[in-house]
Amino acid sequence: NAGVTQTPKFQVLKTGQSMTLQCAQDMNHNSMYWYRQDPGMGLRLIYYSASEGTTDKGEVPNGYNVSRLNKREFSLRLESAAPSQTSVYFCASRRSPLASTDTQYFGPGTRLTVL
Amino acid sequence: DQQVKQNSPSLSVQEGRISILNCDYTNSMFDYFLWYKKYPAEGPTFLISISSIKDKNEDGRFTVFLNKSAKHLSLHIVPSQPGDSAVYFCAASGRTGNQFYFGTGTSLTVIP
Repeated sequence: NAGVTQTPKFQVLKTGQSMTLQCAQDMNHNSMYWYRQDPGMGLRLIYYSASEGTTDKGEVPNGYNVSRLNKREFSLRLESAAPSQTSVYFCASRRSPLASTDTQYFGPGTRLTVL
Repeated sequence: DQQVKQNSPSLSVQEGRISILNCDYTNSMFDYFLWYKKYPAEGPTFLISISSIKDKNEDGRFTVFLNKSAKHLSLHIVPSQPGDSAVYFCAASGRTGNQFYFGTGTSLTVIP
């Protein structure tokens, strides 16, 4: 089992460019999440998908869109990248959207720099 | 506004001694609390959790204490080992469990 995988690992964009961060999990989890980690800010939730076919905004959704392509895959899109979106992005998955005691499993992260 | 706070960015402890990492929260609706450990260039991994109906949970060398009246939780690591050197995040969620709020992290260094 690979767990949660993310591609790419690193990316440099120019302001205004677009890109999609890919995330896949092979644990048959129902819920998937996108976070960003910035220095001094901890991890902040961008969007989540409680189950296949649903998506909801988190704390910091502005400038992002998401697609829950199927049960395995959850992508994050930056339509017009800005320097403020320079960050490390983590995808996570969780078995059940209903049980608050279910643990989140995280991918290794994508380090994005916007110039 | 940060709902979960870790006021100590870093902590150094001698090997074999106790490490105590602290976390405060502001939202009284939080009812589930977790600690994650993160190594450089890796994603966070789950360490230990506690429900608001408990005040203590142990797992081997790791114990989490919850003080609901003070809105404070702490992670104790005894004895500390060099492999424990990492960044530790506390996190909290409410009853619906879909949104998790993370602290800013504490970097623990265990000195051999």
